[in-house]
Amino acid sequence: EVQLLESGGGLVQPGGSLRLSCAASGFTFSNYAMRWVRQAPGKGLEWVSTINDGGFRTFYADSVKGRFIISRDNSKNTMYLQMNNLRAEDTAIYYCAKDMGLTRSWASDYWGQGTLVTVSS
Amino acid sequence: QSVLTQPPSVSGAPGQRVTISCTGSRSNIGADYDVHWYQLLPGTAPKLLIYGNNNRPSGVPDRFSGSKSGTSASLAITGLQAEDEADYYCQSFDSSLSLVFGGGTKLTVL
Repeated sequence: EVQLLESGGGLVQPGGSLRLSCAASGFTFSNYAMRWVRQAPGKGLEWVSTINDGGFRTFYADSVKGRFIISRDNSKNTMYLQMNNLRAEDTAIYYCAKDMGLTRSWASDYWGQGTLVTVSS
Repeated sequence: QSVLTQPPSVSGAPGQRVTISCTGSRSNIGADYDVHWYQLLPGTAPKLLIYGNNNRPSGVPDRFSGSKSGTSASLAITGLQAEDEADYYCQSFDSSLSLVFGGGTKLTVL
């Protein structure tokens, strides 16, 4: 059974940093791209970042480019999101999602329950 | 402002058929990128409902179907049930190398 478990969320002041983790199990982690998607309170889903299976290609939404860093450790079946210079508008539930692995698809077939990040003074 | 446009809400009575539209542009849906649909129930992880425009993952009832034409896509739900009440999101890929979502549609079962 595929499981994705996010952790690391919490309350942080504007300008602060936070590191999210996503622990994966139930599939061959190193074979799939992974991504972070967030949902701000009362808002829709917003793609944040994607990392390829090998970890050497990364992509970011313009809203987080230069502030967030996605990475993964395939030996630990874990993906990370280092969030720096956080802003109030980064407040959201952050979901970890597994790419389906189909060519030219970019669908996410499994999602975690999410971890809440609140940026406030 | 979401890149893909969905109606904020739709509703229908049990047993009825409803559709949710998703309108994009020539840089995403119209560029022949696939459209996917997700269901969000309060307090639960998002669930993939339709992938590759019209394919259902294992376990998704055939009451759910998807279609795509030009720069738009649609999700249809037939035989509406109370448990279908949720938020639905379409997603595609954009030539700017971004994943793009619709703003979401809240389905109310009357």
